[in-house]
Amino acid sequence: EIVLTQSPATLSLSPGERATLSCGASQSVTSNYLAWYQQKPGLAPRLLIWDVSRRATGIPDRFSGSGSGTDFTLTISRLEPEDFAVYYCQQYAHSPLTFGGGTKVEI
Amino acid sequence: QVQLQESGPGLVRPSETLSLTCNVSGGSISGYYLSWIRQPPGKGLEWIGLVFYTGSTNYNPSLKSRVTISLDMSKNQFSLKLSSVTAADTAVYYCTIGTGWLTDYWGQGTLVTVSS
Repeated sequence: EIVLTQSPATLSLSPGERATLSCGASQSVTSNYLAWYQQKPGLAPRLLIWDVSRRATGIPDRFSGSGSGTDFTLTISRLEPEDFAVYYCQQYAHSPLTFGGGTKVEI
Repeated sequence: QVQLQESGPGLVRPSETLSLTCNVSGGSISGYYLSWIRQPPGKGLEWIGLVFYTGSTNYNPSLKSRVTISLDMSKNQFSLKLSSVTAADTAVYYCTIGTGWLTDYWGQGTLVTVSS
C-alpha cells in the first residue's frame, strides 16, 4: 500500500497569499496518477487536479499541481476567501487507492 | 452532468450488514469505474473498493473480507454491502464515478451510524 503524507497539517494564511501544500508518497506513484481534492465542511470532496498537474473542469488557474515520483505539490497562487478548506492528495496508480491525511488551509 | 445519490439506512446495529445504493443520473454507468469511499466523522478519506461496469471488482484489503460491491446496469445503480459492522464503521459513505481509477464525480454522501 502506498502511504501518502501531507504537510503541513494546518496552513494559516490570509487572502491574497500563496499557499504551498506538499504530498509525499512512500513509493513512486507511477504514470503520475496523483490527484488533489478540496473539501469544505459538510460537502463531498471536489476534484481539483488530476495526473499531477491537469486542472479539472471549471477549476480556476490559480490552482496548480506539480511533482513526480514521490514528491508532489499543490500551489494556490493567490488565496481567495472560498479557498479556505481541507485539501487531500490521492494516488490512483496502485490498489488500494489511498489518500493523504489532509491539509487544512485556514485564515 | 452526471449526478450520484446515495441511499440506505442511517442507523445499523453492531454485527449487522450495512447496505447502501448509489443511483446514477445524467449518464450511463457503462464504461465507468464505480467506487465507494468513506470518511469517519472528523477524519480523513478511506477507499473501500470499486466495481467496473463489466462487474469486475477491486477491494481495499483492509475491508475485503467484509465488502461486496455490485452493480445493476438496468437501473443504472451500484451497491455496497459491509458485513459484521462495528462502531469503527460509522462514517459518511460516498459513492463516486470515474474514468479509470480517478474519482471524477462524488455523491453528496450519507452518514451511517453503527449503534445499538
